[in-house]
Amino acid sequence: DAGITQSPRHKVTETGTPVTLRCHQTENHRYMYWYRQDPGHGLRLIHYSYGVKDTDKGEVSDGYSVSRSKTEDFLLTLESATSSQTSVYFCAISAGDSYNSPLHFGNGTRLTVT
Amino acid sequence: GNSVTQMEGPVTLSEEAFLTINCTYTATGYPSLFWYVQYPGEGLQLLLKATKADDKGSNKGFEATYRKETTSFHLEKGSVQVSDSAVYFCALIVQGAQKLVFGQGTRLTINP
Repeated sequence: DAGITQSPRHKVTETGTPVTLRCHQTENHRYMYWYRQDPGHGLRLIHYSYGVKDTDKGEVSDGYSVSRSKTEDFLLTLESATSSQTSVYFCAISAGDSYNSPLHFGNGTRLTVT
Repeated sequence: GNSVTQMEGPVTLSEEAFLTINCTYTATGYPSLFWYVQYPGEGLQLLLKATKADDKGSNKGFEATYRKETTSFHLEKGSVQVSDSAVYFCALIVQGAQKLVFGQGTRLTINP
């Protein structure tokens, strides 16, 4: 168990409302990631972080922002949710600082935008 | 760019059958290759990895060999069990990219 907690586990929200998803880790790892999972697309990277206040965009970052004010917390915000953002969101941490260290995933947040 | 292509699912087999899930890749550099597994309602877990050509990753009876000449990393298991029912993802990462790239996933169902 890599000590990753995602909250909430399920969320239903309306179009146009802001939504924040939280990822919390207990093991002080440097690299953290947010992915979304959609049928036929596998997992696609939204944003990632390589340290406190150090973040970068992934391949599907439009409509999302992130913040990392503490090592253990990585927040994903949908500023104004749209139906296309209905998805399952996974947080992941890298088990080490090597570029090919395996990722450990949380159990996901299922978000529905109505 | 970097990409991963997996065989289309779903795949349905009987218990004790031989399993192959095909995975091929394109990469701008020299990738490390991974197989992840996702059980229902859970996040992905690392199943096995290989970091250089001809390496064989193995775990829980699953194997995959890094074939640079065919740019492939096919997942195999000699005798599947009902508990192997899950979604399997092939993935790669290239040094300097810091971004794991996933295939679309293959859903496997094993019937008793």
